[in-house]
Amino acid sequence: KQEVTQIPAALSVPEGENLVLNCSFTDSAIYNLQWFRQDPGKGLTSLLLIQSSQREQTSGRLNASLDKSSGRSTLYIAASQPGDSATYLCAVSGSARQLTFGSGTQLTVLP
Amino acid sequence: NAGVTQTPKFQVLKTGQSMTLQCAQDMNHNSMYWYRQDPGMGLRLIYYSASEGTTDKGEVPNGYNVSRLNKREFSLRLESAAPSQTSVYFCASSEFPESTQYFGPGTRLTVL
Repeated sequence: KQEVTQIPAALSVPEGENLVLNCSFTDSAIYNLQWFRQDPGKGLTSLLLIQSSQREQTSGRLNASLDKSSGRSTLYIAASQPGDSATYLCAVSGSARQLTFGSGTQLTVLP
Repeated sequence: NAGVTQTPKFQVLKTGQSMTLQCAQDMNHNSMYWYRQDPGMGLRLIYYSASEGTTDKGEVPNGYNVSRLNKREFSLRLESAAPSQTSVYFCASSEFPESTQYFGPGTRLTVL
């Protein structure tokens, strides 16, 4: 059974800092990996989707990398802003195309 | 576009009562999903519909039923609610099973 782990569970950084969020998964036979953002009391917003054949994807200040063989992904956020404060979730899609989610990293960016 | 909409936003039930959570999407997506989110457990898939006319069990289907009413709508029914079903329920949709998923705002359900 696929297991997805996100470390750390919580992270607090000063505004302007570059930061990295980590995601690891136990079964490397994935179809794709998705990063989401969740604001308190809200639904999830998709940030990036990386296909299993890709190494990275970029969107604005966000860059996600994927190392399928080692079962790891990172989400890099450049020049963090208070508006980036949210919970970040990664999810992997396996052969059945079902998403398995990690428990998330709660990010606080201090002004 | 409204995206994915869910009703109701909040609901309180007594043990044994039944209810249906409604979900609709206006993006002409083929695939739809129901998840529950619990503290410390992350999101877990309850049921999904890869395409209109099909439904399949996810990780935690017990105590739930679903109906893919048409391409737009996917409902989740609790026949006899239990306190263990207290959770936040999210509906999502995607163009295909392997595509980006788009989530609704969620329904907060409390079962007393």
